Amino acid sequence: GAGVSQSPSNKVTEKGKDVELRCDPISGHTALYWYRQSLGQGLEFLIYFQGNSAPDKSGLPSDRFSAERTGGSVSTLTIQRTQQEDSAVYLCASSLETTPRGGGTQYFGPGTRLTVL
Amino acid sequence: KQEVTQIPAALSVPEGENLVLNCSFTDSAIYNLQWFRQDPGKGLTSLLLIQSSQREQTSGRLNASLDKSSGRSTLYIAASQPGDSATYLCAVRQKTSYDKVIFGPGTSLSVIP
Repeated sequence: GAGVSQSPSNKVTEKGKDVELRCDPISGHTALYWYRQSLGQGLEFLIYFQGNSAPDKSGLPSDRFSAERTGGSVSTLTIQRTQQEDSAVYLCASSLETTPRGGGTQYFGPGTRLTVL
Repeated sequence: KQEVTQIPAALSVPEGENLVLNCSFTDSAIYNLQWFRQDPGKGLTSLLLIQSSQREQTSGRLNASLDKSSGRSTLYIAASQPGDSATYLCAVRQKTSYDKVIFGPGTSLSVIP
C-alpha cells in the first residue's frame, strides 16, 4: 500500500474487555514498531518486530499486552482485560531495514485511538 | 538508561524567523536519530534521519545536525512559516542488546503570521 494503515481508527470499549489493534505496514518493510501516546505524554516504545520476531518484549506495559506479526507483514496488538489507563493513541510504524541494522526511516500510521470506559 | 530531552518545550516566533530546536540524549550508543513533526490529532511525519556516522542532513528549509559524542542534535528551520506550526519530536534508535526507540517529549512550535 501507499502508507502504513491502522484499524480501527477509533475504539471505545468497556473496562475488562479485550481489544485487538491492527497494523498494515508498507509493503516490503521488514521492521515494524508499536508505540503508545497517552494524553499529554510522549511516545512510549512498546515493541519492535524484525520480520516475525520480536526479540525484546520488555517495553510492553504489562502481561495483558501481547503482539504478533505473521508473514512478515500485518501485526496485531492485543490488550486483554482492558483498564482505563490503557486509554491512549496506539501508533504503528514500519521501516525498510538496511545494513547496518537500524538504519531505516520510520513511517508512521495514523494511529488507533483507544478509549476504555 | 537512555533519556531524551528537548528544549524548549514550547516556542512561539513571528513568521519569517529562523529558529533552532534542541534535542539531547544521554547514551551515545545509537544507530541513528530521527526528527518528526506531529500535527494535532494526527500521526507522525518523518522529517530527517541522521545516521550515527553522519553529522547533518538537509531537506529544503530544514537542517538537522548530530554531535553524537556530546549527545546533541539540533533542528534548524529557516524562514519559518505558519504551516510549520506543529510539535517536533526527536527519537534515537538505541544500540542495546535489542533495539529500542526512545522519543523526546517534543517542542511545540507556533509560528505567528
